[in-house]
Amino acid sequence: EAQVTQNPRYLITVTGKKLTVTCSQNMNHEYMSWYRQDPGLGLRQIYYSMNVEVTDKGDVPEGYKVSRKEKRNFPLILESPSPNQTSLYFCASSILGGNTIYFGEGSWLTVV
Amino acid sequence: QQQVKQSPQSLIVQKGGISIINCAYENTAFDYFPWYQQFPGKGPALLIAIRPDVSEKKEGRFTISFNKSAKQFSLHIMDSQPGDSATYFCAASYGSSNTGKLIFGQGTTLQVKP
Repeated sequence: EAQVTQNPRYLITVTGKKLTVTCSQNMNHEYMSWYRQDPGLGLRQIYYSMNVEVTDKGDVPEGYKVSRKEKRNFPLILESPSPNQTSLYFCASSILGGNTIYFGEGSWLTVV
Repeated sequence: QQQVKQSPQSLIVQKGGISIINCAYENTAFDYFPWYQQFPGKGPALLIAIRPDVSEKKEGRFTISFNKSAKQFSLHIMDSQPGDSATYFCAASYGSSNTGKLIFGQGTTLQVKP
């Protein structure tokens, strides 16, 4: 089954404690990205990657890092989480040049 | 700045009624306008999409109406059903070599009452 898998799905952490949200896709997609969803703001792109070792900032990259060492994986790293990073996070993938984006099921992150 | 503005934020419709969600965009370079549907606990999924060379696209009970001169597009759900209850996002992107970067609207939570 074609899918984008994120882990963890739910996480409560404390301010400043580094965390990583993993993302993996099995569709051999070149393009992967991270979004955060906040009430009234919709989905905003954090970072994206067009291929292995190629990453770039989206619209709200502050406080986040990513890496793309393998085509299927695109982890999101919060080096020092803060409460304003409490949000619902989605990983997504698509073929390069494709119009359909496939989303994971989301990761609820709470920073206290 | 918000390049795609969506309204209303929430919508309640009776079963069998018509649900209408509106979006307006600013960038005239946008050339692809999808709608995504998100059920609780799930990620958004592509519902229907349109390009600006047509004014309307219909797939089953879902129709996109597109007004290029007004820079507006809307989603119409005919004969709305309780199973349509979800959050709907409009979006826009541009570039023939679409990198998958979509600009999303704020989202509309639709509740269809039985």
